[in-house]
This record gives sequence, structure tokens and C-alpha cells, in this order.
Amino acid sequence: ETGVTQSPTHLIKTRGQQVTLRCSSQSGHNTVSWYQQALGQGPQFIFQYYREEENGRGNFPPRFSGLQFPNYSSELNVNALELDDSALYLCASGPLTGSGYGYTFGSGTRLTVV
Amino acid sequence: KQEVTQIPAALSVPEGENLVLNCSFTDSAIYNLQWFRQDPGKGLTSLLLIQSSQREQTSGRLNASLDKSSGRSTLYIAASQPGDSATYLCAAIIDTGNQFYFGTGTSLTVIP
Repeated sequence: ETGVTQSPTHLIKTRGQQVTLRCSSQSGHNTVSWYQQALGQGPQFIFQYYREEENGRGNFPPRFSGLQFPNYSSELNVNALELDDSALYLCASGPLTGSGYGYTFGSGTRLTVV
Repeated sequence: KQEVTQIPAALSVPEGENLVLNCSFTDSAIYNLQWFRQDPGKGLTSLLLIQSSQREQTSGRLNASLDKSSGRSTLYIAASQPGDSATYLCAAIIDTGNQFYFGTGTSLTVIP
């Protein structure tokens, strides 16, 4: 059973709207990362947060932004939604060891933009 | 930029068959290589993680190997079962930031 919880599980938004996705990290994890997985593709790294600061970012525009809270939970915000933003958004939490050990992925939020 | 490729994109085998999934990466300076399983519409489950200093890892019917010099990893599944049907993703970690570079996955169907 995964210790990372994401909400909501499914979401439908209209092009141009804004959306907030939420992630509760596994207990003891101080790092959270967000990934976008388009249909039939592998997950693409959006950004990572460590102790409430952005700690790395992939090739995503500034309308993708995030927050990490003192309890290590996190939000992903996307402004001015586009049809291509339709995807499964995955959150992963873990210790900042650099090894990948102990990283746990949530079940994701399926976002559909119409 | 690290590029990760998986071949084949889809595979269908009869139950009981042994099979190999392939993963290749362009930057050999990887930190670790990890294999994941993804069931339809679900998140990722870690199967095996191979450190850059290791050649292989085993867990039950699964064996993953890593050849950094050739930029390749393989996942071997022995005596496949219908419950193994899923998408298998490999991911390279190339620095200390825990960023995963994923392949596009291999969709496996094991026919009873």
C-alpha cells in the first residue's frame, strides 16, 4: 500500500482555466517531485521540492508552479490550461539521498482538459 | 540530455514463457537504473533498483542487469504469469537530485 496520497483522482477542466493538484507525502520524506505522463508515454519530470524550496525543474513553462508545505505535502498548480496538459500527474516523495532509494509514487491524478 | 528508450513497445506471450525487456540510455554517467511496473490508470511500483556499481539485481522471478558501458539494461521475467500483465518502465537517475528519466515503457500481456 502506497504512503503517497494524491487528490483528486480525476478532474475535468476547460481550456484556459487553472487547476490545483494535491499530494500528501509519505511520513519521513522531505522531498517531493511531480511528473506528467501523457497517454502512451513515460513520465516527464516537472519539478522537485526539498524543504519548501524548488530543487530542480524540467522543461515545463512557468505556468506550471508548485508549493511544498512544512508538513512536506505539496501542490501542483497549472494556469491557463491547454489541451496538451491532459495527462496523468504523478507525485513522488522520498529522502534526498540522490540514489532513488525509498522513492514512493502516488496513484496519480488524471486531468482532462476540454 | 538523457534519452531512455524501451524495446519492444508491446509484447504478448503465453503463460509460462520467459521473456526479456530492453532499456537503453544515451548518457552512461548514470547514478542508478530502476525498473517500475504500472497497472492501467495507476501509479508506479518499484520493482528493482540497480546501483551504477552493480551488474544485476534479483527479486523472485525478476532479474535486472545493467551494462553502463553499452548504455543498456534488461529486465528478465521467468515463468510469466497473467498477473504480470502491465506496463514496465525503466528510469535512469543521473545526478544527486533524484530526477528520474523514464523510457516510454513496454506493455506486457501474458495470455493464460
